[in-house]
Parts: sequence; structure tokens; C-alpha cells
Amino acid sequence: DTGVSQDPRHKITKRGQNVTFRCDPISEHNRLYWYRQTLGQGPEFLTYFQNEAQLEKSRLLSDRFSAERPKGSFSTLEIQRTEQGDSAMYLCASSWHGSDTEAFFGQGTRLTVV
Amino acid sequence: GIQVEQSPPDLILQEGANSTLRCNFSDSVNNLQWFHQNPWGQLINLFYIPSGTKQNGRLSATTVATERYSLLYISSSQTTDSGVYFCAVAQNTGFQKLVFGTGTRLLVSP
Repeated sequence: DTGVSQDPRHKITKRGQNVTFRCDPISEHNRLYWYRQTLGQGPEFLTYFQNEAQLEKSRLLSDRFSAERPKGSFSTLEIQRTEQGDSAMYLCASSWHGSDTEAFFGQGTRLTVV
Repeated sequence: GIQVEQSPPDLILQEGANSTLRCNFSDSVNNLQWFHQNPWGQLINLFYIPSGTKQNGRLSATTVATERYSLLYISSSQTTDSGVYFCAVAQNTGFQKLVFGTGTRLLVSP
């Protein structure tokens, strides 16, 4: 078990460009979450998948953001027409569907929009 | 929504000292986790503790769900304990939409 894996670890992009991040959850976990963390704050929930179904989206997830989990395994988070306010750490987490639903986080993708 | 407050916001200790971090939450929860965020940004799981007491080496945690608070104890602190400690709670059954506090930033000096 290699834990939750995110790629890339760092991304610098110019304002207006599109970016895509990938998350590979712990293999037996069927729940996957995306969070965003800005400097000095705790992470904030963005969206949640159970298997391939996206079951909840935060109002933080504007229409420039889209997340997918096509085969119920890895997930991608795409940001279109990036803005400087999108600069943040994007964290992915996964958990098992069961009574013990501890969430485990990946290393994060740090996005800088210049 | 539920509010999570952590105290103190900042803590500076000498190596070897003990400390207590507190997490207060405004409503009943079914999940509470403590994390340590390392300098590279990764959240390391410390405890999954919706109620009761757990210990892991120099760290221990207690959650009193009826009084809506949790405590994280660090004994004999080491420089590697430095970082930000987050408490996060969830109210849903199953689906863990975690709500994080603003963290306690700990600096342990040699």
C-alpha cells in the first residue's frame, strides 16, 4: 500500500491557462475527496466521489473547476482559465466505505498562478 | 455549518517540554481526526478519535464528545514535532466531509 499519490507536486502556470491534477487513492478505498488549502488556513472541502459518482460539490467549486473519477479509481481535477486566486495547495484524500472512515491525504499539488 | 476552533494558534517550546493542544467544535460529530502538516504540506494522520482516549508513543488524544472538545497531548517534544497541527471533524455518517480548524503552529527549538 503506497498511500494516496498526487501528481504533479508543484505546478506554475500563467493566468488564463488550464491545469489538470491527478490523484491516485489507496487501492481499496472507494471514497475520494478533493480539498483546497490557502496560506495560513486549514483545508476546505471541494468535492467527493463514491466510486465513479460525484456525490457532493462545494460552492467553492466554481464552474471553472471540474473533477472526474471515470473508472472509480484515480481522479482528475481540472481548472480552466486559471486566476491568481486559484493559487493554493490542492489536496486529495481517500477513505473506505465502512464504519471506520478515517481519511488519508496525499502530498498535495501546490499551484502557483502567475 | 459546524465551527472548529483550535488553541493556541501558535506555540513555541523548548525540546523536551510537554504541551496540550485544544480543539473545540460547535455541534455533535461522528468523526474527529488530528493531523500534523509537515513542512512540505502533507497531512500526516495522528489520531482518528471521535470519542475516548488513544495513545501512540509520545502523543495521546482525548475527545469528550458530549462537551464538544478534543485535546492532543505531546510529551517530551522533539524538533521534528514542529509544524502545524490540525483538528478536523465530520458530521455525516460514512461520507467524511471534514471541516478543519485553523490549526496550531508549533515550533520546538533545540
